[in-house]
Amino acid sequence: GAVVSQHPSRVICKSGTSVKIECRSLDFQATTMFWYRQFPKQSLMLMATSNEGSKATYEQGVEKDKFLINHASLTLSTLTVTSAHPEDSSFYICSARVDRQGVPQPQHFGDGTRLSIL
Amino acid sequence: SQQGEEDPQALSIQEGENATMNCSYKTSINNLQWYRQNSGRGLVHLILIRSNEREKHSGRLRVTLDTSKKSSSLLITASRAADTASYFCATSSSNTGKLIFGQGTTLQVKP
Repeated sequence: GAVVSQHPSRVICKSGTSVKIECRSLDFQATTMFWYRQFPKQSLMLMATSNEGSKATYEQGVEKDKFLINHASLTLSTLTVTSAHPEDSSFYICSARVDRQGVPQPQHFGDGTRLSIL
Repeated sequence: SQQGEEDPQALSIQEGENATMNCSYKTSINNLQWYRQNSGRGLVHLILIRSNEREKHSGRLRVTLDTSKKSSSLLITASRAADTASYFCATSSSNTGKLIFGQGTTLQVKP
């Protein structure tokens, strides 16, 4: 159980292209979804937190107009990298969590999207 | 900013040996979690330990938490080649808070 599907797994595109990444919880309804960015051999950096039907909360230094997050349902969140440039090349990972009152819950991660901007 | 610092950064052992990884953090926490990441993949949740717990077990995994020292350790017993991965600790300040990840320990288990 607790499977999160992230698509696509790899994207290679030209500078200036907008890229959409989908994150789906397949067998559960996620209260909260998260988007991370990971540079080679480094840790995960949280970009934003999103809840279904509300605006995402972005971390300091993350441009909300650059990284558009839509959380349309309890099973789907999308990250759109707008007008991507080579410096946006990275490994993007989503996660989903079912929140329970008074009980901390783990996050369930997708397999990541390797984005390469030429 | 990253809260956790993990030690060692890299660890190489023989199959069958035990592997211990440590994590230190700076601020008060509600819970601490350990995750595994295979190369080029997402993270897999291993264990969650709450701030009022001192030790937790799951199969060959043992996690300890010392809130007075703001540190945690992950012990993998009888390691296998398949345990080769990066291991991250992550802390949360509340039940529904965001996770702050440590820098990770890269474990190599040689067959």
